[in-house]
Amino acid sequence: DAGVIQSPRHEVTEMGQEVTLRCKPISGHNSLFWYRQTMMRGLELLIYFNNNVPIDDSGMPEDRFSAKMPNASFSTLKIQPSEPRDSAVYFCASSRQGYSNQPQHFGDGTRLSIL
Amino acid sequence: AQSVTQPDIHITVSEGASLELRCNYSYGATPYLFWYVQSPGQGLQLLLKYFSGDTLVQGIKGFEAEFKRSQSSFNLRKPSVHWSDAAEYFCAVGAPGDMRFGAGTRLTVKP
Repeated sequence: DAGVIQSPRHEVTEMGQEVTLRCKPISGHNSLFWYRQTMMRGLELLIYFNNNVPIDDSGMPEDRFSAKMPNASFSTLKIQPSEPRDSAVYFCASSRQGYSNQPQHFGDGTRLSIL
Repeated sequence: AQSVTQPDIHITVSEGASLELRCNYSYGATPYLFWYVQSPGQGLQLLLKYFSGDTLVQGIKGFEAEFKRSQSSFNLRKPSVHWSDAAEYFCAVGAPGDMRFGAGTRLTVKP
């Protein structure tokens, strides 16, 4: 079974550039999550979708960050314009319907470096 | 809102020794409890979960965890650690509409 697929695995770009991270959840999973992981702040939930609808985006740091889920098999996280402090590993995860009572399946992450 | 604490940032054990990683939570009822493992360069992988019933749950890779309501704890154990167990371990607590991850415990295994 294919797991959660994220692309790219690594991204290096200069500050001010637009960055788009992509995620394909596990087929049949209704919930999708975007996380950011840094040494300083650990694992932070950025946004959570259920049935393609954003449910909780309170973790999105600021207006430079946006996320979409146009269909059940694809989601994007966009940063525009990017800043050095956005450097982190970004994870996408998916689960069956539900949030707190379902295990999440994580992708291998996108390591983002903003120069 | 619930919270989850992993008191140990870093633990070192010798290969073959037993392991216990601590997790404490704060929540008014019994939450959903999870342990995940993260190997370098990879995402988190579920080790085990507890929802209800038997308070000792078995997971993958020889891990187990015990839910103790009186101590608000869900500690992860393994009787004999292997070098491949070196990774970061995360406890997570779920309650209706919310999920919290602990800060993680990094496990180093000495030969």
